Amino acid sequence: EPEVTQTPSHQVTQMGQEVILRCVPISNHLYFYWYRQILGQKVEFLVSFYNNEISEKSEIFDDQFSVERPDGSNFTLKIRSTKLEDSAMYFCASSESGANVLTFGAGSRLTVL
Amino acid sequence: GQSLEQPSEVTAVEGAIVQINCTYQTSGFYGLSWYQQHDGGAPTFLSYNGLDGLEETGRFSSFLSRSDSYGYLLLQELQMKDSASYFCAVRDLDTGRRALTFGSGTRLQVQP
Repeated sequence: EPEVTQTPSHQVTQMGQEVILRCVPISNHLYFYWYRQILGQKVEFLVSFYNNEISEKSEIFDDQFSVERPDGSNFTLKIRSTKLEDSAMYFCASSESGANVLTFGAGSRLTVL
Repeated sequence: GQSLEQPSEVTAVEGAIVQINCTYQTSGFYGLSWYQQHDGGAPTFLSYNGLDGLEETGRFSSFLSRSDSYGYLLLQELQMKDSASYFCAVRDLDTGRRALTFGSGTRLQVQP
């Protein structure tokens, strides 16, 4: 069964450092998303991406965040200068039609010290 | 805007039936989805209701009443492996948010 893959599974970084989280969406999917989940809390929308540009973003997705699709398979989330409160599990997801069925990756746990 | 309300925790025994409710407030409603998340795992899609009524997939069913702004997920013949968090989610066209917005989740504990 096709799956969304994410790397790294866990990253520990110092406050102020840049982090890049990588995702390979399902190959025939057109819509890509980043969500995050702080431990024990709900899954929060960050950004969606379609046709090589951001479709929409939440208030969480401020200037320190950026996304990129550098080639035909990868989809990355960059956090420019990490803060303690960025510690969370970051999930990449993709969907075929931008509707209600998202396939999530296993997540990248980010720990900011 | 939108808000989603679901109970924070539900406990049931193996073999039983449990219902997890979800109420929403958005005038731009575009369907109710349900996702399951095991501890340490990723959310996985369970079901979607775009129209009123019941959708059945094996032991799981989901129901929607748009007039009541209410839906539920019904889990039958509970198994220990059903212990997980269950999230309802909507797309809120009222705010222009096309991406799914998730509720706070209901943690289901299945006991022997």
